[in-house]
Amino acid sequence: EIVLTQSPGTLSLSPGDRATLSCRASQSLTTTYLAWYQQRPGQAPRLLIHSASRRATGIPERFSGSGSGTDFTLTISRLEPEDFAVYFCQQYGGSPNTFGQGSKLEIK
Amino acid sequence: QVQLQESGPGLVKPSQTLSLTCSVSDDSIKSGGYYWSWIRQHPGKGLEWIGFIYYSGSTDYNPSLKSRVTISSDTSQREFSLKLTSVSVADTAVYYCARSGRYGGYIFDSWGQGTLVTVSS
Repeated sequence: EIVLTQSPGTLSLSPGDRATLSCRASQSLTTTYLAWYQQRPGQAPRLLIHSASRRATGIPERFSGSGSGTDFTLTISRLEPEDFAVYFCQQYGGSPNTFGQGSKLEIK
Repeated sequence: QVQLQESGPGLVKPSQTLSLTCSVSDDSIKSGGYYWSWIRQHPGKGLEWIGFIYYSGSTDYNPSLKSRVTISSDTSQREFSLKLTSVSVADTAVYYCARSGRYGGYIFDSWGQGTLVTVSS
């Protein structure tokens, strides 16, 4: 099973800042089968990015994904108040698909 | 935009069977191309995929739970269900139903709100 490790555990930033979240896989994803989800308090996760860098329909351009192999990044270019939430990465190249433990983005 | 809604008991006793149902708002459950999953989230933790059922009836389960899980569907009722047998306190979690297939079989593009299931005597 592929283990995903996300860092940092918590990131404290202000609205307008740039956020960079990391996801590292325990083995290389031979294809860029990696997704990112946002989970606001008390809500279900929402798909942001799939295939490492493709935004899902309706996701603002300030969200971008990059990476390959074992190292992937979610960048939020300019934080809006609604972006403060928990973010999960997920790999679906290995079986079973697995999720990271999450990174919390909190207001500084 | 499809809507999904979980329902079922919020409390289950150890060693019993957890049963949940997910109601789907449209007929996409009857059409090809979509997969219908159950995913759980232990309190304060990450997410764990449990398994899915395809519209054809084929299933795929997480090996860690496979011996205890059954996912079935009733497309005429626009719903699919989860049964998890021999539960323990470790199965206490928020259970989500989700749809995938729009971008790929394991990319979850629509989710229910989730239902908390507590295993306790």
